[in-house]
Amino acid sequence: NAGVTQTPKFRVLKTGQSMTLLCAQDMNHEYMYWYRQDPGMGLRLIHYSVGEGTTAKGEVPDGYNVSRLKKQNFLLGLESAAPSQTSVYFCASIQGQGEAFFGQGTRLTVV
Amino acid sequence: SQQGEEDPQALSIQEGENATMNCSYKTSINNLQWYRQNSGRGLVHLILIRSNEREKHSGRLRVTLDTSKKSSSLLITASRAADTASYFCATETNTGGFKTIFGAGTRLFVKA
Repeated sequence: NAGVTQTPKFRVLKTGQSMTLLCAQDMNHEYMYWYRQDPGMGLRLIHYSVGEGTTAKGEVPDGYNVSRLKKQNFLLGLESAAPSQTSVYFCASIQGQGEAFFGQGTRLTVV
Repeated sequence: SQQGEEDPQALSIQEGENATMNCSYKTSINNLQWYRQNSGRGLVHLILIRSNEREKHSGRLRVTLDTSKKSSSLLITASRAADTASYFCATETNTGGFKTIFGAGTRLFVKA
């Protein structure tokens, strides 16, 4: 049972490049979330999904897009990366009114 | 603004002492959860307390919830050096959509 898997684990982008982060969960959870964590700070919610085919904006959605075409996958896209998007990105899945299971994070640097 | 706000931001104690962290939130919640994060790693779930519960225990952890004050506390008893980590509260809410919001965390350092 892998839980929540994020790919890639590390990435360096140039300003203006695009990329997609993949989150996959094998627990059949309905809810999936993307957070970003900046140094010394907590997690801020970027986008989330309450089920296959649905997405919603979180606290800091600007500059990001998401898709949930399959229940087990939640993709986070950066269309035109900016240095302000340098951060550690965490994906989580939840079965509703329960604990969140987290991936190990993706460390993204935009130069 | 974030739903959960932890207090203090940082806490340094000796091994064997108790550590207390507080969390305040703004809107109604389904439940409140505490997580632990070791440096640079993912978050690990510690304990969940539902909105109709007032206190919960798990090993050396004790969590209280006061919905009238919109606050919670996490007590770690008989702390160990291995408890050194950041601790976050997270609130699950239906306000503005079903989501889980985290606070900024308390960094705990336990000196051996």
